[in-house]
Amino acid sequence: QQQVKQSPQSLIVQKGGISIINCAYENTAFDYFPWYQQFPGKGPALLIAIRPDVSEKKEGRFTISFNKSAKQFSLHIMDSQPGDSATYFCAARKSGTSYGKLTFGQGTILTVHP
Amino acid sequence: NAGVTQTPKFQVLKTGQSMTLQCAQDMNHEYMSWYRQDPGMGLRLIHYSVGAGITDQGEVPNGYNVSRSTTEDFPLRLLSAAPSQTSVYFCASRESLFGQPQHFGDGTRLSIL
Repeated sequence: QQQVKQSPQSLIVQKGGISIINCAYENTAFDYFPWYQQFPGKGPALLIAIRPDVSEKKEGRFTISFNKSAKQFSLHIMDSQPGDSATYFCAARKSGTSYGKLTFGQGTILTVHP
Repeated sequence: NAGVTQTPKFQVLKTGQSMTLQCAQDMNHEYMSWYRQDPGMGLRLIHYSVGAGITDQGEVPNGYNVSRSTTEDFPLRLLSAAPSQTSVYFCASRESLFGQPQHFGDGTRLSIL
């Protein structure tokens, strides 16, 4: 049972464009939604995270948009750069559990062409 | 300033062999965990530990054993490797049970023939 569904599986964007990755969840008990960035041969690294009491969080060129009623959240990368090429994972944590017990999406391979 | 160190980086095993994947962190973090990463599946939690001497099962624990004798080390053991355990394994640590962020190692790519 995939509780967090991520799309698309892969994404190709031109330099300077906007990259958008979407995630949908089913469990209304989720209360923490991080995004991880993973470069080839490396472990995932926390990129940005949001809680459901806000609808948007921005850190530099990265923005999370959260729609609680639709049970969806998305990552927007503005002015995408070749250095952003990586695999991105969304995740969700069930309320009352530790931050380590995350449910991950399937991942999106982002390629930014120069 | 090593962070989380995993060894080996690559390993090929035959079905039925045993092996230990090593994980060490130098940040004095209490919480450590093991994930496996498979194509199209994201990361799935195998086992975790909230401190020395304390471990618990994650989402996919079958076929794996762990122990935590020191704060620094959290090895993952495959007692009898199966082809279904072919995967990339990541170890992670963080300061406390509810602390962020989680620091990941660079992974061990394991193939079981």
